[in-house]
Amino acid sequence: DVKVTQSSRYLVKRTGEKVFLECVQDMDHENMFWYRQDPGLGLRLIYFSYDVKMKEKGDIPEGYSVSREKKERFSLILESASTNQTSMYLCASSLRRSKAYFGPGTRLTVT
Amino acid sequence: GESVGLHLPTLSVQEGDNSIINCAYSNSASDYFIWYKQESGKGPQFIIDIRSNMDKRQGQRVTVLLNKTVKHLSLQIAATQPGDSAVYFCAENYGGSQGNLIFGKGTKLSVKP
Repeated sequence: DVKVTQSSRYLVKRTGEKVFLECVQDMDHENMFWYRQDPGLGLRLIYFSYDVKMKEKGDIPEGYSVSREKKERFSLILESASTNQTSMYLCASSLRRSKAYFGPGTRLTVT
Repeated sequence: GESVGLHLPTLSVQEGDNSIINCAYSNSASDYFIWYKQESGKGPQFIIDIRSNMDKRQGQRVTVLLNKTVKHLSLQIAATQPGDSAVYFCAENYGGSQGNLIFGKGTKLSVKP
């Protein structure tokens, strides 16, 4: 079975802090994604990566950056956390043109 | 618990009945579609997928129907059970080599015992 793990289930950070969210997948998938999920807005794509060191902006990249130094790991970085970044963050991975597998999510609260 | 279900269309069915969840997709060039189930506090789980060269695909207790003429996708769940209560999302891939998906807003399914 595909396994996508995220470093934390719950995080509480202060405004202005630098935040790292880590995601690891164990199925040698080329693609990895970061989404945020908010009530009424569904899943919105922040960034995705289709190969090591490659990244593409999604629909809402402002305030975020990403890093993919190894194929299995995709990190989401909030350079200076703000309260409007309080959300559920979901990582996913997939083979090209195939279904995505999701991690359990990280509930981030910025106070 | 997770508040993903707020402000969503809701479908309420009796246990044992069949459920039909509908989705209108946006891009006529989309050629691959997926249904996901998300339970409270968890990430979305893959249910079933279908490519655009098919009209229907069946899984265990689930069937996906694709109508490309009107850009409509549906998920049918047979003999709905309390464990089917969740938010259901459709997703479309409209081409490109990388395969990123566009998700619908979701429908909350509530099963009454």
